[in-house]
Amino acid sequence: QQQVKQSPQSLIVQKGGISIINCAYENTAFDYFPWYQQFPGKGPALLIAIRPDVSEKKEGRFTISFNKSAKQFSLHIMDSQPGDSATYFCAASRGFGNEKLTFGTGTRLTIIP
Amino acid sequence: EPEVTQTPSHQVTQMGQEVILRCVPISNHLYFYWYRQILGQKVEFLVSFYNNEISEKSEIFDDQFSVERPDGSNFTLKIRSTKLEDSAMYFCASSQDSWSYEQYFGPGTRLTVT
Repeated sequence: QQQVKQSPQSLIVQKGGISIINCAYENTAFDYFPWYQQFPGKGPALLIAIRPDVSEKKEGRFTISFNKSAKQFSLHIMDSQPGDSATYFCAASRGFGNEKLTFGTGTRLTIIP
Repeated sequence: EPEVTQTPSHQVTQMGQEVILRCVPISNHLYFYWYRQILGQKVEFLVSFYNNEISEKSEIFDDQFSVERPDGSNFTLKIRSTKLEDSAMYFCASSQDSWSYEQYFGPGTRLTVT
């Protein structure tokens, strides 16, 4: 019940296209859903996050869509650029202080010219 | 912008040896974490720490592991007797307070056990 399932495992998108990564969770106690971006040899960097009181959050080219009833959330990267090529992890936690993050398995995104 | 720092960036050790991984969390943060990532796999929670006590630990965090905040800035992870399967990237993270959900990760220490 603690798992966060992420798909696809890898994704290739043309420059300028939309990249979509999906995650699903089972634990209804989760109430904080961040996305992290990780470049090779680096630590995960917080990209964008959402709480379940809203269905969508947008920051620049990055949008999280959240479906509480389906227990799913997704990351959309608009106008994808080669610099977006990285591994993306969704995560979830119960949110309040000191709660651990449970990570998805990651999606390796490659943006091709 | 404040960031979490970790040293060393790469540590090579022999099986059975003790290692200490060091982290300096963001200065006004109160909650600290260690995670690990085996090559090509997902990031896994090890332990959380607050007010000089462990708040939660995972099944991975057995008696060979310990954490300490020896002073006002450092946060360390000690592995007493390393095993081959301890080879991984170890990430330190910190978050500000109970109202701030964001966890910020350091660049990691790559631990190689031979």
